[in-house]
Amino acid sequence: DTAVSQTPKYLVTQMGNDKSIKCEQNLGHDTMYWYKQDSKKFLKIMFSYNNKELIINETVPNRFSPKSPDKAHLNLHINSLELGDSAVYFCASSRFGGTQYFGPGTRLLVL
Amino acid sequence: AQTVTQSQPEMSVQEAETVTLSCTYDTSENNYYLFWYKQPPSRQMILVIRQEAYKQQNATENRFSVNFQKAAKSFSLKISDSQLGDTAMYFCAFMNGDGSGNTGKLIFGQGTTLQVKP
Repeated sequence: DTAVSQTPKYLVTQMGNDKSIKCEQNLGHDTMYWYKQDSKKFLKIMFSYNNKELIINETVPNRFSPKSPDKAHLNLHINSLELGDSAVYFCASSRFGGTQYFGPGTRLLVL
Repeated sequence: AQTVTQSQPEMSVQEAETVTLSCTYDTSENNYYLFWYKQPPSRQMILVIRQEAYKQQNATENRFSVNFQKAAKSFSLKISDSQLGDTAMYFCAFMNGDGSGNTGKLIFGQGTTLQVKP
């Protein structure tokens, strides 16, 4: 059973399009996260939700909008995609303050 | 602001030998956690080991152990009996543990690529 899953695993799209990445965890955790890994493999947190409430919101363009319909899901919607959005996006989950477990990542390529 | 530094971009080791990856961090907090994550070519981020700052004893997980030097703000990872499957990028990470709004924010180092040679 996959603990943290993301769909899709790969996403290729044109500049200006809108796309979503979905994340689901079956670990019973109350906190979920989105991280971005750039082309130099540097990982940086974007958002964190605890019990469906936004608790960490790093300096991210407002074209990125996370949505948490329930504790087990955290989706990431990106409007008006730009070339610089090309990266690997990781979802993670934990109990609050605990060890984070990561999904397999979604590789986004904007052409 | 907290920072994490991994000064070794690349390392290599012969199979069955021991290798140590370095990590230093900067923080004014007293309550925090440190992690090593492994990212093999499959891209999956896999937890290797976790250390609580309040614990003096170094964490160990099978062939993986850490040398946690709190005063020096150093957190190195030792891999014993290296195996080909250990080939991966290794990330050191810091997390504030004071229960504030920043709790859960993992701050990563730049990563060290480890190649295990047969």
